[in-house]
Amino acid sequence: GESVGLHLPTLSVQEGDNSIINCAYSNSASDYFIWYKQESGKGPQFIIDIRSNMDKRQGQRVTVLLNKTVKHLSLQIAATQPGDSAVYFCAESTGFQKLVFGTGTRLLVSP
Amino acid sequence: DADVTQTPRNRITKTGKRIMLECSQTKGHDRMYWYRQDPGLGLRLIYYSFDVKDINKGEISDGYSVSRQAQAKFSLSLESAIPNQTALYFCATSEPAGMGSYNEQFFGPGTRLTVL
Repeated sequence: GESVGLHLPTLSVQEGDNSIINCAYSNSASDYFIWYKQESGKGPQFIIDIRSNMDKRQGQRVTVLLNKTVKHLSLQIAATQPGDSAVYFCAESTGFQKLVFGTGTRLLVSP
Repeated sequence: DADVTQTPRNRITKTGKRIMLECSQTKGHDRMYWYRQDPGLGLRLIYYSFDVKDINKGEISDGYSVSRQAQAKFSLSLESAIPNQTALYFCATSEPAGMGSYNEQFFGPGTRLTVL
């Protein structure tokens, strides 16, 4: 069946470093890939998405890279800040916006 | 005020009880979703609704039912709660998107349900 997984459950970085969160997916038919951020006690919050026909998209301090050859998705956060500490989920959208989420990576930012 | 609200925020109940979780939104979105989150498993789709007259099963609908009372309200029921339904439950909304398109889903704050 469809599955979206992550390579690392926890990523620890120093404030100011760049962070890279990785994700592997299995459904080649997905239309969009999305990154969500979930802070403790809150619902997931949209960060950025990328359409399946693109390989890179940039937002404010974030960049998403899509490598369809190896079915790999990554989220890069520049100049990581303490406020970036959260769990990050990748998700893929198939058909009519049905999302399949990965298991999540916890990002810990230390001062 | 929050755009997507969920009530209750926390609930403890006993096995066999009927439970209803409610979701309301002021975003004017047609599409609403219910997800379940378990530790280490991410979010999984339970049910979704594209408009008031539309209800669809998601990945894990067994043991759950839903009701779309109005565009702004989407409730999730557990007819006879069991301990393995202990989880975080999230409601989400989005604008319509055609096949192959995507519009951001906006999530509520979640309901923590414990079934003893």
